[in-house]
Amino acid sequence: EAGVAQSPRYKIIEKRQSVAFWCNPISGHATLYWYQQILGQGPKLLIQFQNNGVVDDSQLPKDRFSAERLKGVDSTLKIQPAKLEDSAVYLCASTPNPWGPGNTGELFFGEGSRLTVL
Amino acid sequence: RKEVEQDPGPFNVPEGATVAFNCTYSNSASQSFFWYRQDCRKEPKLLMSVYSSGNEDGRFTAQLNRASQYISLLIRDSKLSDSATYLCVVRRYDYKLSFGAGTTVTVRA
Repeated sequence: EAGVAQSPRYKIIEKRQSVAFWCNPISGHATLYWYQQILGQGPKLLIQFQNNGVVDDSQLPKDRFSAERLKGVDSTLKIQPAKLEDSAVYLCASTPNPWGPGNTGELFFGEGSRLTVL
Repeated sequence: RKEVEQDPGPFNVPEGATVAFNCTYSNSASQSFFWYRQDCRKEPKLLMSVYSSGNEDGRFTAQLNRASQYISLLIRDSKLSDSATYLCVVRRYDYKLSFGAGTTVTVRA
């Protein structure tokens, strides 16, 4: 079974530029998450989708970050304009419906997209 | 106060040693608990869930203490391949997840 796919793996941009990351979750997984992981810290949730609806975006800096999951499958996270403090790894994760019976709670992560803002 | 707190370490131990570390959580309504493992520059992967009665998976033992609101992970007979960062994850009643910052373990030959 294919895992969570993310691209690009690495991106270097200058501050005030824009960047977009793409994620394709495991087939059949209704829930998709975007996390930001800054070096030395744990992953921080940016946004959670259930199918194509937003469940939680309370920690998404909406003045510069946006995300969509239009068809309930793959998703795009955009940053515009980027700041130095956005340098981090952006992790996409998916899981079957977390409210469904038998869900183990396991998140399946992609390899991440490493962003460096100069 | 952070929802999940971990001792960052690093714990530097020789092969064959036992190492143990804790994670504390602040929300008493937390429902489920997990340990994830993250290798350097890799994504987190589930190591084990933590059950109320405690559970083992090979050389790994996880314990939950709801009264004191902490979970623990013990690694016996450490291997070089156990070197990683161990992330504590807490799931609330509303299924929201919180990650700790991780405990780094380095096993030396």
